[in-house]
Amino acid sequence: NAGVTQTPKFQVLKTGQSMTLQCAQDMNHEYMSWYRQDPGMGLRLIHYSVGAGITDQGEVPNGYNVSRSTTEDFPLRLLSAAPSQTSVYFCASSYQWGSDYEQYFGPGTRLTVT
Amino acid sequence: KQEVTQIPAALSVPEGENLVLNCSFTDSAIYNLQWFRQDPGKGLTSLLLIQSSQREQTSGRLNASLDKSSGRSTLYIAASQPGDSATYLCAVRVDTGRRALTFGSGTRLQVQP
Repeated sequence: NAGVTQTPKFQVLKTGQSMTLQCAQDMNHEYMSWYRQDPGMGLRLIHYSVGAGITDQGEVPNGYNVSRSTTEDFPLRLLSAAPSQTSVYFCASSYQWGSDYEQYFGPGTRLTVT
Repeated sequence: KQEVTQIPAALSVPEGENLVLNCSFTDSAIYNLQWFRQDPGKGLTSLLLIQSSQREQTSGRLNASLDKSSGRSTLYIAASQPGDSATYLCAVRVDTGRRALTFGSGTRLQVQP
């Protein structure tokens, strides 16, 4: 298994540009989520999904969209990039959202918005 | 709102020492607690998951304990090695409707050869 994969690893955007961060998992996990990690702020949840066709907002959803058309993929879209979105983005998944299941994280995408 | 604190923020020890990393949380109504390791510029690697009904979990040289009533968890690393150098994060799951983990800010560990 490849686990949780993310592309790209690095990205530089100009303010106002849009882009999609890709996330895929090959473990047949129902639950997937996106976090951002900022110095001094820890990891904060952006959006999550408990299955194909079901998404919900996390703690910091503004400026981001998600969709879940398949079990494997959970892309994160930046609609109009802003410097405040400069961060490291992590995708995570688990079998289900339940107490017995570990969260597995991808390697991250480092995004800089100028 | 659940808050997770990790102390110390940074720790430097000589190789071979046993060490303890601390994690505290404000809301004891947790479902589980997970310890992660993060190497510089890398993602998070899951180390141990402790269910709320468990007191501890062990994996190799790692032992994690959980005391829900006092809102504390410790990660014990035996016979530390330079390869253990990384940032260690703890995260708790509280099912408040928003299905998220709440993370601490981490302890940055440096093991000196």
